[in-house]
Amino acid sequence: QVQLVQSGAEVKKPGASVKVSCKASGYTFISYYMHWVRQAPGQGLEWMGIINPSGGSTSYAQKLQGRVTMTRDTSTSTVYMELSSLRSEDTAVYYCARGVSGSYDIDYWGQGTLVTVSS
Amino acid sequence: DIVMTQTPLSSPVTLGQPASISCRSSQSLVHSDGNTYLSWLQQRPGQPPRLLIYKISNRFSGVPDRFSGSGAGTDFTLKISRVEAEDVGVYYCMQATQSWTFGQGTKVEIK
Repeated sequence: QVQLVQSGAEVKKPGASVKVSCKASGYTFISYYMHWVRQAPGQGLEWMGIINPSGGSTSYAQKLQGRVTMTRDTSTSTVYMELSSLRSEDTAVYYCARGVSGSYDIDYWGQGTLVTVSS
Repeated sequence: DIVMTQTPLSSPVTLGQPASISCRSSQSLVHSDGNTYLSWLQQRPGQPPRLLIYKISNRFSGVPDRFSGSGAGTDFTLKISRVEAEDVGVYYCMQATQSWTFGQGTKVEIK
């Protein structure tokens, strides 16, 4: 069965960076794009970007351009999302979510990683 | 960006009764490939989102048939035929026709 297992919660100071991992299993890793979506406390969902695990190409939300970097390690079937220059507004639960092959839909979601930015 | 607007934002329902959520997009969601990429997600308290419906009306694997989706163009609806206790949570519409954006969410709770 498809599983996306994310790394644990993080607490960071303003201005620092955070790197969240998402390990995929139960399917062919390089055949499915991976999205990152975040959710601030008590708020809705915000799409952050997408990575193609096959070639590593990425596309990011304009709002986060220059601060977000998505990478992958095909040897471990893991994708990473790094967010730099953190501010309090980046406090959120960060989710990885799998893109449906041959479509633009999103099907499976990771369990989420809480990132807290606080001085 | 395509803006997704859901109504209502809160929906108190009686167990066993139907519920309906509307979602309107700021522009047509018909993609150049002919598909309409409108999905519905369910987020139970303390859980990640879960895909219920994709491409307007297709139920995802394991989703009960009391959930159904309909609509076209810019107007879409999620219906729950008979609400059960496990249906409590927040429901989001999501478009994937032009990048990806979400509605604000509709909270479904039991009266």
